[in-house]
Amino acid sequence: SQKIEQNSEALNIQEGKTATLTCNYTNYSPAYLQWYRQDPGRGPVFLLLIRENEKEKRKERLKVTFDTTLKQSLFHITASQPADSATYLCALVSNTGKLIFGQGTTLQVKP
Amino acid sequence: GAGVSQTPSNKVTEKGKYVELRCDPISGHTALYWYRQSLGQGPEFLIYFQGTGAADDSGLPNDRFFAVRPEGSVSTLKIQRTERGDSAVYLCASSVRQGARETQYFGPGTRLLVL
Repeated sequence: SQKIEQNSEALNIQEGKTATLTCNYTNYSPAYLQWYRQDPGRGPVFLLLIRENEKEKRKERLKVTFDTTLKQSLFHITASQPADSATYLCALVSNTGKLIFGQGTTLQVKP
Repeated sequence: GAGVSQTPSNKVTEKGKYVELRCDPISGHTALYWYRQSLGQGPEFLIYFQGTGAADDSGLPNDRFFAVRPEGSVSTLKIQRTERGDSAVYLCASSVRQGARETQYFGPGTRLLVL
């Protein structure tokens, strides 16, 4: 069955550094992959979508890469801020829009 | 404009009871998705609607779970004979239309606790 894995351990970094989160998947060849941010007690919020033929996508301080050979996506936040502290979810996207989420990685940015 | 709203925000019930969870999607969004999220996990797909019809209900765990969207707007997720294992946050999301490139907008969720 399809499986998507994110590092379940929390990532703690210092303000100003670059945070890098990893998403690996198996038994699937998604055409699209999305990243979401989730704050405690709230629903996920869409951040970025990347297509299989795109190697990299950027939005402000965010950058996502998608390597279909390695079956891996990396999510980077540059110049991180305490306000970036949250759980970040990656999701494989089916043709119908159905999302298959990883378990999320919690990021803590310390001032 | 208003986002996706879900009611109630919290629901406590006893094992064996029936519950209904409501989702009001963003006006004009034709696609509506239900997910379930357990503590420390990512959301898990349950069912999605395109208009009034359930286009994919493959994620419903068993026949105690049922969802409707009779007029293509508001949706209700119904759980019969609740079990303790049903305790989770139930999330609803909507998008303008179905498709992999569409952004899904999530509601805040309903936190269900079955005692």
